[in-house]
Amino acid sequence: SAVISQKPSRDICQRGTSLTIQCQVDSQVTMMFWYRQQPGQSLTLIATANQGSEATYESGFVIDKFPISRPNLTFSTLTVSNMSPEDSSIYLCSVGQGVPGNQPQHFGDGTRLSIL
Amino acid sequence: LAKTTQPISMDSYEGQEVNITCSHNNIATNDYITWYQQFPSQGPRFIIQGYKTKVTNEVASLFIPADRKSSTLSLPRVSLSDTAVYYCLVGSRNSGNTPLVFGKGTRLSVIA
Repeated sequence: SAVISQKPSRDICQRGTSLTIQCQVDSQVTMMFWYRQQPGQSLTLIATANQGSEATYESGFVIDKFPISRPNLTFSTLTVSNMSPEDSSIYLCSVGQGVPGNQPQHFGDGTRLSIL
Repeated sequence: LAKTTQPISMDSYEGQEVNITCSHNNIATNDYITWYQQFPSQGPRFIIQGYKTKVTNEVASLFIPADRKSSTLSLPRVSLSDTAVYYCLVGSRNSGNTPLVFGKGTRLSVIA
């Protein structure tokens, strides 16, 4: 299965600033997704990171707040812009292998973000 | 996407078998049932996937009745390290390539 590295693993930021989270995969993957998990809650999909085109955002998430890049098949970034305390969450990257069939989605261990 | 309902939490002693049931009354004909496990400070990890009847792997078994409106994840002889949140998801068989919709999950606490 794919090995997924997220950086940073955690950070504490000041409100009004922005932070870019990196997701690196050790093999080429078709699909990359970004999720948010607020403290004690389940995961919520932010967007699908599309290689070579704009990300596809879920309802309630917009590109100005969460710009996403995916320059190739092994790397993606999520930026949390103009942060406020409500953005304090764990942000997780996941990947799909692109092989037809029941290939499970694999997750990174997340970036724990706290905004003061 | 079919909505799932699970118990919020469960407690078990070490060595016992744990069964977590998930309801998915609106499951579609083409939907599969997938379970993920999440430890603190880690991302979710795939456990098992099935369509009907019974599926077993080295970690767990998944029981799905004929009407497929529910499923049961069975963990044999749990240990303290099985303490985690378990999520039941319903959706495409190709779950690796489609956005996943997570419910609230079941928080399992294993007690010595």
